[in-house]
Amino acid sequence: AQSVTQLGSHVSVSEGALVLLRCNYSSSVPPYLFWYVQYPNQGLQLLLKYTSAATLVKGINGFEAEFKKSETSFHLTKPSAHMSDAAEYFCAVSESGGSNYKLTFGKGTLLTVNP
Amino acid sequence: DGGITQSPKYLFRKEGQNVTLSCEQNLNHDAMYWYRQDPGQGLRLIYYSQIVNDFQKGDIAEGYSVSREKKESFPLTVTSAQKNPTAFYLCASRPQGGGYTFGSGTRLTVV
Repeated sequence: AQSVTQLGSHVSVSEGALVLLRCNYSSSVPPYLFWYVQYPNQGLQLLLKYTSAATLVKGINGFEAEFKKSETSFHLTKPSAHMSDAAEYFCAVSESGGSNYKLTFGKGTLLTVNP
Repeated sequence: DGGITQSPKYLFRKEGQNVTLSCEQNLNHDAMYWYRQDPGQGLRLIYYSQIVNDFQKGDIAEGYSVSREKKESFPLTVTSAQKNPTAFYLCASRPQGGGYTFGSGTRLTVV
């Protein structure tokens, strides 16, 4: 069975500081990994995804994530936080990229950006 | 513009009543999903459908029902058997081999 653990339900950074949101996964097969962002009372927007190509994945809004198999991690980073980055972030895993894939989500990390 | 439309955005239900949440997509996607979101719990899968007239239970299907009579539509009924229905409900769709597109959600409150 697949699962995701997001370390830290709430992360607070200053504007301009490094953003690091942690995600560890469990999967019985090579996983597909995703990061989504959610603004209040809205749906989820895909930031980036790992599908077994390059281990360093670049996404939208300056975010990137690195797949580390040995650590079963897929942490999300951004060099310099902006006020508009304040939102909730979800890591998700799927064991298949084919027609029968379901996403399993972590519990989310709320990012606060302080001026 | 193509997308997923969930309606209504806010819904209030009295205890003991069934209520149906609408999800419509014009993306021609084959698969559709319903997730429930509670604070601090992430998203949990209720039901999903990969093709018209077929659907499968997710991790928390008890107290919910769905239908998939048309490719574009995947309504979710929250029945009186669901003991704690107050939550944010998200619908999503996906083409074969493609990524998820999410709707903007319906917030259901039991009063």
